[in-house]
Amino acid sequence: TQLLEQSPQFLSIQEGENLTVYCNSSSVFSSLQWYRQEPGEGPVLLVTVVTGGEVKKLKRLTFQFGDARKDSSLHITAAQPGDTGLYLCAGVISNFGNEKLTFGTGTRLTIIP
Amino acid sequence: DTGVSQDPRHKITKRGQNVTFRCDPISEHNRLYWYRQTLGQGPEFLTYFQNEAQLEKSRLLSDRFSAERPKGSFSTLEIQRTEQGDSAMYLCASSRTTTGGWYEQYFGPGTRLTVT
Repeated sequence: TQLLEQSPQFLSIQEGENLTVYCNSSSVFSSLQWYRQEPGEGPVLLVTVVTGGEVKKLKRLTFQFGDARKDSSLHITAAQPGDTGLYLCAGVISNFGNEKLTFGTGTRLTIIP
Repeated sequence: DTGVSQDPRHKITKRGQNVTFRCDPISEHNRLYWYRQTLGQGPEFLTYFQNEAQLEKSRLLSDRFSAERPKGSFSTLEIQRTEQGDSAMYLCASSRTTTGGWYEQYFGPGTRLTVT
């Protein structure tokens, strides 16, 4: 059973369009991180959200943490070919002791020029 | 800040051989993690260290796997008697507490293992 479900699994859109990727769970997370991964490379940290309802912006990327800290979304405005990659959400269930990340299934995004 | 480094980047080995991977974390980070990622999946937690102490191991880490962090700096992950099912990307990450009190993990480029 996957603890974190991401949707969609695959997304291919034209340059300039907007998109939203979702990350859902039945578990409460003390913090949630979004990563982007290129083929053959390790995940690169984009953002960490920790407070229910929190919204963070990173240029054209907007990240939101659900009020109940069980879900998150990533919205990209005016997508560019450089946004192409595998987007992974990862949550930490407890801040007490182990900070191991539980990763979602990933969303593979392709931006067509 | 030189980032997390891993060596080798790629390893091809025959079934039954032993392999060892190395991870050098970001220098001021006291926590180090190992993950495994298979094609089309997100990374899965294997084990983690705080300084030189190994504090948790996943059930994914069979008896053939062993990890060490002898001086609380670099870490090694050894797989004995490799099997084809061990073929995966092995990722290392390190972290330290942020000013907000939580940990942010930074990943290395990974070691791609292929067992033939």
